Order: sequence, then C-alpha cells, then structure tokens
Amino acid sequence: ETGVTQTPRHLVMGMTNKKSLKCEQHLGHNAMYWYKQSAKKPLELMFVYSLEERVENNSVPSRFSPECPNSSHLFLHLHTLQPEDSALYLCASSRQEGSGTEAFFGQGTRLTVV
Amino acid sequence: AQRVTQPEKLLSVFKGAPVELKCNYSYSGSPELFWYVQYSRQRLQLLLRHISRESIKGFTADLNKGETSFHLKKPFAQEEDSAMYYCALIAYSGGYQKVTFGTGTKLQVIP
Repeated sequence: ETGVTQTPRHLVMGMTNKKSLKCEQHLGHNAMYWYKQSAKKPLELMFVYSLEERVENNSVPSRFSPECPNSSHLFLHLHTLQPEDSALYLCASSRQEGSGTEAFFGQGTRLTVV
Repeated sequence: AQRVTQPEKLLSVFKGAPVELKCNYSYSGSPELFWYVQYSRQRLQLLLRHISRESIKGFTADLNKGETSFHLKKPFAQEEDSAMYYCALIAYSGGYQKVTFGTGTKLQVIP
C-alpha cells in the first residue's frame, strides 16, 4: 500500500498492558506526526518528528512514548494507559521543505483501553 | 502561536442549498491554509489548499487576509458531501513545519 500505513487498525488493551502503534510512510517525507482524535477533542496534535528528531511534544503524558528510528517509520509505545486514552490515533507525514506541502494521513488505529 | 477556529460543530443543509463552512485563523506570519475532509470510515484527506486556488468537488475557498478567514463554499450541496471538514494552517517554526487544525465542522446534507 502506498501512502501512510498504520498498524494495527484496531487494538484493545488492558490498563496494565504494553503495546505499540506503528506508522510507515513511503512518500519520501521527512516529518511525521501523531494525532489523537476523540469525540471531545477532534484533532489533537501529540508529537512532531522532523528529520527523525522530536521537535514538539504537546504536553502528552509519559505513558505515551514516541519513537522515530528513521524517516519512514514512527512508533507510539503505550503503557499503563487509562480508559480516557481510548481514541483514534492518527499518523501523518509531510515534507518539511517548500510551501503548499500538505500532510498525508493514515487510516488510524482505533484504541480501546479496558 | 497559531490558531484555527471553526465556530460551527454541525452544519445541516438541504440538498441543493449553498454551503459555507467557516474558518478563521490567527497567525503572525504568512499563512498556508488547507481544508481537509473525512468521510465516514475513511481517512482524513486533503480537499484543497489556498495556494492552488482550485475547485475540488465543487468546493472553493478564498483566503481573506483582512478578515483572517478561509471559508469553504459550495453553491449546491450534494448528499455525498456529508462529512467532517477540518480547516488547517501550516506554520514554519524553528525550521520545521507545524500543522494546526481547527476543531472541525460536521456537514450534514439532508436529502
């Protein structure tokens, strides 16, 4: 699949579990993002990686831990989550250079914390 | 800091009626603005961008710097336009690009 791919599509985890979300892009982009989409706050930026370096962390709790091993892959490691963390987690990528470069989104991982 | 405001959470219109989804922004630099759309059970995708000055699926949006607005318009709504619409602003800060989204407006086209 071209574009931005997220796995798994659905995840149910207990509050004591540790799991990871994966995002992969084959668009040659050099910036990647994690967003949280829920009913209360539709699109909430969590993390930004530019050239594999974390450049923004929007006051996200430490139970969410991002990792960007290279420009094509982005992970979100999850541990000891709370039920209120249940949401759709979206990954996006873009080019940092130039103007008019939009972000491309994955289909998201629907996370349910029980 | 940049901000994008979409004042309407829900907009309901009848099929064939004109549509205007409002978006206002706050940014000290020169903005780049986009509209994204999310259809039911589909990924968020780009609808149009202001620098292209294009019309996509009958939608247009004009950047008004005086009013700091980027409203999305369509003269005749179709049922397939029902979706969630997000206005987004790209700002360049510290050498990287940051996308800020509005809270979104759900468009409901009534047959």
